[in-house]
Amino acid sequence: EVQLVESGGVVVQPGGSLRLSCAASGFTFDDYTMHWVRQAPGKGLEWVSLISWDGGSTYYADSVKGRFTISRDNSKNSLYLQMNSLRTEDTALYYCAKSGGDPVYYFDYWGQGTLVTVSS
Amino acid sequence: EIVLTQSPGTLSLSPGERATLSCRASQSVSSSYLAWYQQKPGQAPRLLIYGASSRATGIPDRFSGSGSGTDFTLTISRLEPEDFAVYYCQQYGSSPPITFGGGTKVEIK
Repeated sequence: EVQLVESGGVVVQPGGSLRLSCAASGFTFDDYTMHWVRQAPGKGLEWVSLISWDGGSTYYADSVKGRFTISRDNSKNSLYLQMNSLRTEDTALYYCAKSGGDPVYYFDYWGQGTLVTVSS
Repeated sequence: EIVLTQSPGTLSLSPGERATLSCRASQSVSSSYLAWYQQKPGQAPRLLIYGASSRATGIPDRFSGSGSGTDFTLTISRLEPEDFAVYYCQQYGSSPPITFGGGTKVEIK
């Protein structure tokens, strides 16, 4: 059974930093591109970032480019999102999601999300 | 960036009725790289359809997707009580950025 478990979400002040983690199990982690997708309270879904199976390619939404860094450790079956210079508009539930295939980037499995609140 | 516009914003229907949800793209979606998701309150999204018309594993056949180019449709042939939720379309064309539509809420009439 595929499982994705996010952690690391907390309340942080504007300008602060945070690192999210996602622990994956139930599939061959290093075969798949992985993503972060977020959802602000009461709003729709927004794709944030992706990382290729080997970490060699990364892409970001314009809204986070230059502030967020995605990474992975295939030896630990883990995905990360380093979030710097946080803004109030980054407040959201952050989901880790698995690509259905490569290079087709739909999301066939999602975690339950970790809540990031940026507030003074 | 491809902008996806979903309509209607809210669809009020009764169990047993047919639901037709629309997703229109601002430019052609390459290779019909379009997916549909269902999200219930307090839950993560669930993949329903990918490649515009392929059902994901375990999805009942009352859900079907169609369309190509810039116009796509999700049809629920007969609404079950558990189908009342928010539905999102998503395009995943040849390169990022990946974008979602704003969602359609299917509510009980």
